[in-house]
Amino acid sequence: DAGITQSPRHKVTETGTPVTLRCHQTENHRYMYWYRQDPGHGLRLIHYSYGVKDTDKGEVSDGYSVSRSKTEDFLLTLESATSSQTSVYFCATHFAGAYEQYFGPGTRLTVT
Amino acid sequence: DQQVKQNSPSLSVQEGRISILNCDYTNSMFDYFLWYKKYPAEGPTFLISISSIKDKNEDGRFTVFLNKSAKHLSLHIVPSQPGDSAVYFCAARGINTGTASKLTFGTGTRLQVTL
Repeated sequence: DAGITQSPRHKVTETGTPVTLRCHQTENHRYMYWYRQDPGHGLRLIHYSYGVKDTDKGEVSDGYSVSRSKTEDFLLTLESATSSQTSVYFCATHFAGAYEQYFGPGTRLTVT
Repeated sequence: DQQVKQNSPSLSVQEGRISILNCDYTNSMFDYFLWYKKYPAEGPTFLISISSIKDKNEDGRFTVFLNKSAKHLSLHIVPSQPGDSAVYFCAARGINTGTASKLTFGTGTRLQVTL
C-alpha cells in the first residue's frame, strides 16, 4: 500500500472556524484526491489534484478549497466550518497510468 | 441522483459459502469499475477492478463480473471467510476524466460472514 498519512485523525471544531486537513504521501504519486464519507452517500469526491499547483473540483466542492504546493502534500481547507461538514474525510492517491486509488486512514471531523 | 447503486445495504453469508455483492450503474459514461473493502476506522482498500472492455476478472477468491447491457457488476467471493466481514464499495471511473481517475462510489454493502 502507498504510504499515505492524514492529520489530524480526529478533530472537533466550532461552527465558523477555519479547519485544514493534511494528506501526506511518500510514493511520489502524481494524483491526489479528497473524499468525504457520509451515511447513505458512500464516498463523494470533493477536490482532486493532477500535479503540483494543479487542482480541480469534484462533486461536492462548495465550502472547501485545496492546495498542493509540493508532490507529497495535499491540503483541504474548510474556510468557515459548518455542521453539514461533519464527516469522515479520506485522502487517496494513485500514480500516472493507473486508476486504482490508495486511501489514507481518514480524518473524523466534528463541527459543533 | 445516485449514478452507482448498491441496493443491498447488508448481506449475511455462512463461512465457506459464496458471497455475491451487486452494483448497478445508470451512466454509460464509465469505463472502469473497482471494488473496495472497508473495515471500521480504516480507509478503503482496493480489491479488484475490471475494464469496460472485459466481462470478467479474477484474483484468487475474488471475481468481478461486468454485464454492460444490464449496467450491472457483481463481486463474487468464494469461499467466504470471517475476515471478509466488512463494508464493500463499488466505484466507477468517468470516461471523460482525462488521465485522472474521478470515481463515483456506491453507498456500500455490509457483508457479515458467520461461522
